[in-house]
Amino acid sequence: GENVEQHPSTLSVQEGDSAVIKCTYSDSASNYFPWYKQELGKRPQLIIDIRSNVGEKKDQRIAVTLNKTAKHFSLHITETQPEDSAVYFCAAKGRNAGGTSYGKLTFGQGTILTVHP
Amino acid sequence: DVKVTQSSRYLVKRTGEKVFLECVQDMDHENMFWYRQDPGLGLRLIYFSYDVKMKEKGDIPEGYSVSREKKERFSLILESASTNQTSMYLCASSNPFGFTSYEQYFGPGTRLTVT
Repeated sequence: GENVEQHPSTLSVQEGDSAVIKCTYSDSASNYFPWYKQELGKRPQLIIDIRSNVGEKKDQRIAVTLNKTAKHFSLHITETQPEDSAVYFCAAKGRNAGGTSYGKLTFGQGTILTVHP
Repeated sequence: DVKVTQSSRYLVKRTGEKVFLECVQDMDHENMFWYRQDPGLGLRLIYFSYDVKMKEKGDIPEGYSVSREKKERFSLILESASTNQTSMYLCASSNPFGFTSYEQYFGPGTRLTVT
């Protein structure tokens, strides 16, 4: 099955700096890569996603890049703000043993981002 | 508005008890998932269901079972709770036919403590 590795596990930045979180995946057939943000005490929520036919996607201060050849994708947050402090999870939609996925996601280990004012 | 609810926010059970965690979604989604969340380990899939009465094991199914008798409800069962099942349990649902997104919508989580 799919395996997703996420780095770093913790990231501390000053307000206004950029933050980058990286993930690698193992299944070359994976074709959907979302990023979730989980604020303290809250449920994870989708913040941005990218499909395998796109190399980069941007939404205001956040962007995601995908390198299919190297099987890695990254989340970029520019001009960080204290409200960006949260746990971020990457994920990949791979396949189950039968070759289908049913929308099953494999998540990375998470990155605790702290933005200091 | 999308809504996934879980039966309890906090639960304390004793070792050996049978534990039921329930999840309900109101979005008519085919897919439902159960994860456990532990620090440093991310979200690990326990079981998922892609249709009523259909289920598949995830990455860590040992010690758990599931039930999906109705489309909107997905239950996680701990047959005999053990202390190593102390964790945060998250339910999620998604629409597998979403051509623009496979977004999973999460419930608020159940913090289970087994003593």
